Amino acid sequence: QQQVKQSPQSLIVQKGGISIINCAYENTAFDYFPWYQQFPGKGPALLIAIRPDVSEKKEGRFTISFNKSAKQFSLHIMDSQPGDSATYFCAASNTNAGKSTFGDGTTLTVKP
Amino acid sequence: DGGITQSPKYLFRKEGQNVTLSCEQNLNHDAMYWYRQDPGQGLRLIYYSQIVNDFQKGDIAEGYSVSREKKESFPLTVTSAQKNPTAFYLCASSWPGNTIYFGEGSWLTVV
Repeated sequence: QQQVKQSPQSLIVQKGGISIINCAYENTAFDYFPWYQQFPGKGPALLIAIRPDVSEKKEGRFTISFNKSAKQFSLHIMDSQPGDSATYFCAASNTNAGKSTFGDGTTLTVKP
Repeated sequence: DGGITQSPKYLFRKEGQNVTLSCEQNLNHDAMYWYRQDPGQGLRLIYYSQIVNDFQKGDIAEGYSVSREKKESFPLTVTSAQKNPTAFYLCASSWPGNTIYFGEGSWLTVV
């Protein structure tokens, strides 16, 4: 049973556009929601994360929007750049219970 | 520098051979993980450990084995029972339930 569903699987955006990736979770015990960015041949790295006590978190061009009642969260990349081309994974975890559950990933291509 | 060190970066396995991937972390994290990633695919959990001398199977543990004798080390052995081991392997660590820090990965190819 997949506990975190991520969409879309792939996304193509023009330079300067907005990239939006969505995730939905099932387990209401989750209390930590990070996004990871992975470049080809490298390990994923934390991009931005949010906890359910806030509805939005912004760091530079990257914003997480969180909807606790809908059990959904999304990553918005403003003014997308070719250097943002990577695979993005959402994840969810319970900080009292251990391991994270990952979405299947979204491959983002930003065209110049 | 703090982080996760995986070795080797590239490894070739002959049919019927066991190989071991090394993973060391100096972040003082309790939890360590091994993930497998096939080209263009997501992260699949092989094994994880939340404390020394204890580990649990993940979603695709068959054909793999691990040990956790030290907090800093979590080696993964790919046994001959794993029939399709060619993949990118990622070691990671974290405080339980928090941000996961990944290594640079190891490429395993069957020859």
